[in-house]
Amino acid sequence: GAVVSQHPSRVICKSGTSVKIECRSLDFQATTMFWYRQFPKQSLMLMATSNEGSKATYEQGVEKDKFLINHASLTLSTLTVTSAHPEDSSFYICSARQGGNTIYFGEGSWLTVV
Amino acid sequence: GESVGLHLPTLSVQEGDNSIINCAYSNSASDYFIWYKQESGKGPQFIIDIRSNMDKRQGQRVTVLLNKTVKHLSLQIAATQPGDSAVYFCAETVGANNLFFGTGTRLTVIP
Repeated sequence: GAVVSQHPSRVICKSGTSVKIECRSLDFQATTMFWYRQFPKQSLMLMATSNEGSKATYEQGVEKDKFLINHASLTLSTLTVTSAHPEDSSFYICSARQGGNTIYFGEGSWLTVV
Repeated sequence: GESVGLHLPTLSVQEGDNSIINCAYSNSASDYFIWYKQESGKGPQFIIDIRSNMDKRQGQRVTVLLNKTVKHLSLQIAATQPGDSAVYFCAETVGANNLFFGTGTRLTVIP
């Protein structure tokens, strides 16, 4: 079946640095990918919708200059957390749409900012 | 975004019993709903979905019920097993656009 892969699964970075998380659809083309953030014991919060070849659409309250999203190809979207701070530490999850309502989720990426 | 919430944050059931997890949504325009299972430290796993033109849909050991009148969803798990222990989320979408997730219910199966 379709698989969405995220990399890295865990990353630790220093405050002030930037870190990139990749989301790949392994066996299908995804014109739309989504990025979620999840705090412990909380639900998934949609951050932005990533459309191939165009700018991402950010949800209200999400800083687009802080969370840079690039969807350069039909199988890859990246989320870059810029100038990371400890409060950016979270579980980041991507999903990819395989046409219609079929959406597959990645396994998530744990970010720890120290 | 849309508001999708759950009635019970935690649910404990005996192994072999049936589980019922509830979800309320607020957007009457939502036309597609999905239940996800999330195990600790992992991404959401698709369980079952239902479109707004249906009231009930059955899968393997799971049934989703949709009551559009009161904007309520439920997930029924038959013969609950220890491997069913996880957090369950309902999610809704309007016009096949973004998915918005509910609060989540933690299901604990007691052996």
